[in-house]
Amino acid sequence: GQQVMQIPQYQHVQEGEDFTTYCNSSTTLSNIQWYKQRPGGHPVFLIQLVKSGEVKKQKRLTFQFGEAKKNSSLHITATQTTDVGTYFCAVQTFNYQLIWGAGTKLIIKP
Amino acid sequence: GAVVSQHPSWVICKSGTSVKIECRSLDFQATTMFWYRQFPKQSLMLMATSNEGSKATYEQGVEKDKFLINHASLTLSTLTVTSAHPEDSSFYICSARATAGGVNTFGSGTRLTVV
Repeated sequence: GQQVMQIPQYQHVQEGEDFTTYCNSSTTLSNIQWYKQRPGGHPVFLIQLVKSGEVKKQKRLTFQFGEAKKNSSLHITATQTTDVGTYFCAVQTFNYQLIWGAGTKLIIKP
Repeated sequence: GAVVSQHPSWVICKSGTSVKIECRSLDFQATTMFWYRQFPKQSLMLMATSNEGSKATYEQGVEKDKFLINHASLTLSTLTVTSAHPEDSSFYICSARATAGGVNTFGSGTRLTVV
């Protein structure tokens, strides 16, 4: 079945540094969604990308969908302590199920 | 925006007992609800898809007789973990998709600990 690979598993950054997580698929994706899960919390929807080469921004977050629609990235500029959590990509299938990436945990070094 | 209420948020039960988790869409009708399980430091794993008024569709490896799902109305789905064992301890999360479409909305999750 369809799989989405997400890397890295963890990323330690100093506050103020940038953070990036990547998702890749061997097949063309119809869409990709990004979620944030705070420790102990539930996934919170951030954005959905559907167009080839699409770039969307939400304040310090930049989301990209590759030209071939096989990869996507989430980039956070100048991380803050409030950014801590695990970021997941997910693909919605034709029957509205979500296929999840493994997640990237953002850890802010003290 | 769309809100999904999930209760309880946490529960501790004895081994061998059953636990019911409720998932309600508060301000929209949800034809389809999804149940996930998440073990520590892992991603979400889809357990089953439930459609209002019909039997749930379970993912491979998920025991339907152990994880009973009922979706009796367009706003309520329940997951009952029967004869719970310590290995069932996990974070259970529901999500709902509105009849009118749009992205899935997640409940706040239920942390189940079986002792």
